[in-house]
Amino acid sequence: GAVVSQHPSRVICKSGTSVKIECRSLDFQATTMFWYRQFPKKSLMLMATSNEGSKATYEQGVEKDKFLINHASLTLSTLTVTSAHPEDSSFYICSATDRGNSPLHFGNGTRLTVT
Amino acid sequence: GESVGLHLPTLSVQEGDNSIINCAYSNSASDYFIWYKQESGKGPQFIIDIRSNMDKRQGQRVTVLLNKTVKHLSLQIAATQPGDSAVYFCAENPWGSQGNLIFGKGTKLSVKP
Repeated sequence: GAVVSQHPSRVICKSGTSVKIECRSLDFQATTMFWYRQFPKKSLMLMATSNEGSKATYEQGVEKDKFLINHASLTLSTLTVTSAHPEDSSFYICSATDRGNSPLHFGNGTRLTVT
Repeated sequence: GESVGLHLPTLSVQEGDNSIINCAYSNSASDYFIWYKQESGKGPQFIIDIRSNMDKRQGQRVTVLLNKTVKHLSLQIAATQPGDSAVYFCAENPWGSQGNLIFGKGTKLSVKP
């Protein structure tokens, strides 16, 4: 089945630094990838939709200059959290689909802790 | 606003019993629904999906029921096992295209041995 790989699984960074998270579709091409954020014991909240070769579409309330998304190829999307603050600490999850209107396949998430 | 919600935030069952997890959705335009299982520290794992032209779909030990009249979705797990312990999310897609799922709040299923 379709596999989505996310890296790193955990990262700790200092306030003010930037962190890049990678999301790869391993055995399929994903023209669209999605980035979610999840707080403890909460549901997933869509942050942005990442389209290959074009600008990402951000959900309301998500700062595009804060959360930079690049979808350079059909198998890779990256999320960069810039000038990280402690309140950016969260579980970030990416997803992708290999065909239209099919279930999303999720990565295993990245636990970001900003100190 | 439109949302997907769950009736029970937690559910505790005995190993071997059947589990039923419920979900209410409010967007009548939704035509695609998915159940995901999320274990601690991991991403959601696809369990089963159903489209609005169906009212029941069965998988291995799981059944999803869709009642469009009352906008209700349920996940039934037969012979629940300890490995089924996780948080279960329902998700809906009101836009008729891939992605952009709206997730419910989640139900934590605990299976007692």
